[in-house]
Amino acid sequence: GDSVTQMEGPVTLSEEAFLTINCTYTATGYPSLFWYVQYPGEGLQLLLKATKADDKGSNKGFEATYRKETTSFHLEKGSVQVSDSAVYFCALSEAVGNRDDKIIFGKGTRLHILP
Amino acid sequence: DVKVTQSSRYLVKRTGEKVFLECVQDMDHENMFWYRQDPGLGLRLIYFSYDVKMKEKGDIPEGYSVSREKKERFSLILESASTNQTSMYLCASTTGGWENTEAFFGQGTRLTVV
Repeated sequence: GDSVTQMEGPVTLSEEAFLTINCTYTATGYPSLFWYVQYPGEGLQLLLKATKADDKGSNKGFEATYRKETTSFHLEKGSVQVSDSAVYFCALSEAVGNRDDKIIFGKGTRLHILP
Repeated sequence: DVKVTQSSRYLVKRTGEKVFLECVQDMDHENMFWYRQDPGLGLRLIYFSYDVKMKEKGDIPEGYSVSREKKERFSLILESASTNQTSMYLCASTTGGWENTEAFFGQGTRLTVV
């Protein structure tokens, strides 16, 4: 079945460092790919998404490119801030017929940014 | 602003109690989901529903049931709460249809069973 694998954390970086969180997936069809972020004490919220191969999603300085050849969707940010400290989830979904299939999440990567 | 609202942020229940977790969305979404989130295990799908009165088991349905009598409301029921059901519970919804759209999440309910 479909699955998502992302790098385990926690990841600890200094402010203004470059961030990469790796994510790879397996899927039978043509999924959409997502990064969600969970700030302390809150639910998940969408950070960015890409719906087809070679699409790049971007938001708040974060970027990820849908790479079909390597089945990857790595999250990057050039200069992180303390406020980026959160848990990041990579996810995929595939529409099936007239309803969405269930969304598959990675296990999450906790990010700590030190001032 | 779109919203998924869970009825409680924090709950403390006793072993053996029947527990109801309520979730309401105001976006007219077709699909609704219940997940539990545990350290090191990420999000695990308990049940989901793609239509009123329809339900599908997720990856860990044991010990849980659900109810969807109205499109906007999806309830998770713990028939007899146990300590291993202490967790963060997250409700989500999606539009449904051919497009792979994002999920909208509630703020979570942290349940402690003592």
